[in-house]
Amino acid sequence: QKEVEQNSGPLSVPEGAIASLNCTYSDRGSQSFFWYRQYSGKSPELIMSIYSNGDKEDGRFTAQLNKASQYVSLLIRDSQPSDSATYLCADPTGGFKTIFGAGTRLFVKA
Amino acid sequence: GAGVSQSPSNKVTEKGKDVELRCDPISGHTALYWYRQSLGQGLEFLIYFQGNSAPDKSGLPSDRFSAERTGGSVSTLTIQRTQQEDSAVYLCASSIGQGTSPLHFGNGTRLTVT
Repeated sequence: QKEVEQNSGPLSVPEGAIASLNCTYSDRGSQSFFWYRQYSGKSPELIMSIYSNGDKEDGRFTAQLNKASQYVSLLIRDSQPSDSATYLCADPTGGFKTIFGAGTRLFVKA
Repeated sequence: GAGVSQSPSNKVTEKGKDVELRCDPISGHTALYWYRQSLGQGLEFLIYFQGNSAPDKSGLPSDRFSAERTGGSVSTLTIQRTQQEDSAVYLCASSIGQGTSPLHFGNGTRLTVT
């Protein structure tokens, strides 16, 4: 059974700091990952995808994939209160059922 | 274009009644998922449809839950003899279903069993 694990948090960071969210996965064959953001009372929305080993940057967000260590991370630079949400790591497992982590709650304090 | 559409957005029902929740995925999306999310909790996988393949029902919590997908498009999740612990938000998502495609979520149906 493939698994994706995340620390549920909450992770609390001050405004302007870097928030680091981490995820580990069980399937060595996994090639790519997605990060979803879910605001309270809303549905998850895709914010980042990473398809190869290394870093991928998009604005204030950087996704990192380390296949040797089987972890994925999401860095949010210059964190804003509007970034406060739950962040879900997901393994699309090559076209089969997508596996989600339990999510990490992030609070950015103004 | 149109996103994933779910109806109703809210449903209040009495314990013991049956309910049907509907999901209309994005046109052309072959994969469709149902998830349940209780207040403050993570996504609980219920069922997964992919094209014409047999659905993955491994997440359905009991035989009171069933789902079907007609014509490879619209899906209905049915909960029979509802219980108070069935109260949650039921989310539907769809994807292209090829390779590593992301999921697109609907706005969910909030089910309250009184």
